[in-house]
Amino acid sequence: QVQLQESGPGLVKPSQTLSLTCTVSGGSIRSGDYYWNWIRQPPGKGLEWIGTFGNTHYNPSLKSRVTMSLDTSKNQFSLKLNSVTAADTAVYFCARVTLDDSGSYFSDYWGQGTLVTVAS
Amino acid sequence: SYVLTQPPSVSVAPGETASITCGGNNIGTKSVHWYQQKPGQAPVVVIFYDSVRPSGIPERFSGSNSANTATLTISRVEAGDEADYYCQVWDPFSDHRWVFGSGTKVTVL
Repeated sequence: QVQLQESGPGLVKPSQTLSLTCTVSGGSIRSGDYYWNWIRQPPGKGLEWIGTFGNTHYNPSLKSRVTMSLDTSKNQFSLKLNSVTAADTAVYFCARVTLDDSGSYFSDYWGQGTLVTVAS
Repeated sequence: SYVLTQPPSVSVAPGETASITCGGNNIGTKSVHWYQQKPGQAPVVVIFYDSVRPSGIPERFSGSNSANTATLTISRVEAGDEADYYCQVWDPFSDHRWVFGSGTKVTVL
C-alpha cells in the first residue's frame, strides 16, 4: 500500500522560502511509472494545483516562485516556494499522479496534508 | 485556462440520490475525475476516467460525462457521504495542466 507523508515547518515568515518534503513508502519513486503532485488548499477554500514533477509543469500563477525536485535515494520529492506571503497560507498536499486509459492524469494516493502558515 | 463550474452545495435526504454537476466547455471530450474530501482529511478519488470506480469505493458512486456537463451520482445516500466533492480534469493544451472545480458541499439532511 502506497503511503505519502508531508513534512516541513508549519510556520514561515513573509518573504522567506517555504520548503516541504514528501516521503513515499510502499513503492519506489524512481520507477518512472508515476509523476508526483503538490496541491494546496487555503483554509476554507478549494484545491489548487501547484505543480507536477516528472512530467514537469507548474501552475502559471506560481511558476516564478516554485521549484520541485526528487531525491530517489530517500524516496522523497520536495517543494520550494519562495517569497511567500499570507496568501500562501494553506494545507499542502503531496500526491501520486496516475495515468488513466484515456491518457489523462489523476491523483490516486495523497498525503494527509500539512498546514503551513505564513506570518511574522 | 480551462474552467470547471460546480454548484456550491447540494442537500439530500438519506436514502435518496445526490447528483453533483461539473460544467465545462466540451467537457465530454475530456476525462473527468472526482474526489471526496471529508473535514480535516485528504481528498480521496471516488471516480476516475468519467465513470470508473477505484477498488474500495461503493457501487453507489457512479459518474457520467457528456457534452458540457459531467455528473457524479451518489445513490442511496448515507450520512457518511457528507463531504466536499471536487471534479478535476487534465488539460494538455494549457499551461495550467491540472484544473479543479470549486467544489460542492453535499449535506445529508
